[in-house]
Amino acid sequence: GAVVSQHPSRVICKSGTSVKIECRSLDFQATTMFWYRQFPKQSLMLMATSNEGSKATYEQGVEKDKFLINHASLTLSTLTVTSAHPEDSSFYICSAHLTGPEAFFGQGTRLTVV
Amino acid sequence: TQLLEQSPQFLSIQEGENLTVYCNSSSVFSSLQWYRQEPGEGPVLLVTVVTGGEVKKLKRLTFQFGDARKDSSLHITAAQPGDTGLYLCAGVPTGGGNKLTFGTGTQLKVEL
Repeated sequence: GAVVSQHPSRVICKSGTSVKIECRSLDFQATTMFWYRQFPKQSLMLMATSNEGSKATYEQGVEKDKFLINHASLTLSTLTVTSAHPEDSSFYICSAHLTGPEAFFGQGTRLTVV
Repeated sequence: TQLLEQSPQFLSIQEGENLTVYCNSSSVFSSLQWYRQEPGEGPVLLVTVVTGGEVKKLKRLTFQFGDARKDSSLHITAAQPGDTGLYLCAGVPTGGGNKLTFGTGTQLKVEL
């Protein structure tokens, strides 16, 4: 399989501040990565598709100015939650693929906004 | 509208019992995957089914892909506490690019 590393695993921030989450493909290159949000005991909700060297593609209803995605290299995508509010508290997960449809996920980031 | 519906949503059983989780859609999928997710972790791939009617076994887990490639099932025999977790089916609808669609999820708890 492929290894995807996500950092940090947990972060607590104050309301109004910004938080950056990193997603790295450790042993392969990923031109595309995906960012998901997950509420407790629920499934994954796709937020956006991160494309290396170009703009991310956001799903309907996801604010692109609030959730900034940068995919500056073939092994790193970042998600920045800007001006975070308590309602942004959630579990954020990234994924990448090799050649097939199977997704390899990062460990997830638990964001708590206080 | 959820493209992939899973049932049941929640399941709590005793160790040693058998169970089946269903993943249904009105859309055709070129393949479906099953993942298991433990609390605070990312999902981990269990299996991919590709051919209509295909059956795959992974120890005590049996996965089946429907003949029409619109549905799948996961059967666990003699469940153990280590099977506890959130089970997710996922796939890319035919003609759907490269974005995975995830099922609604089944939360399984296996108690001693």
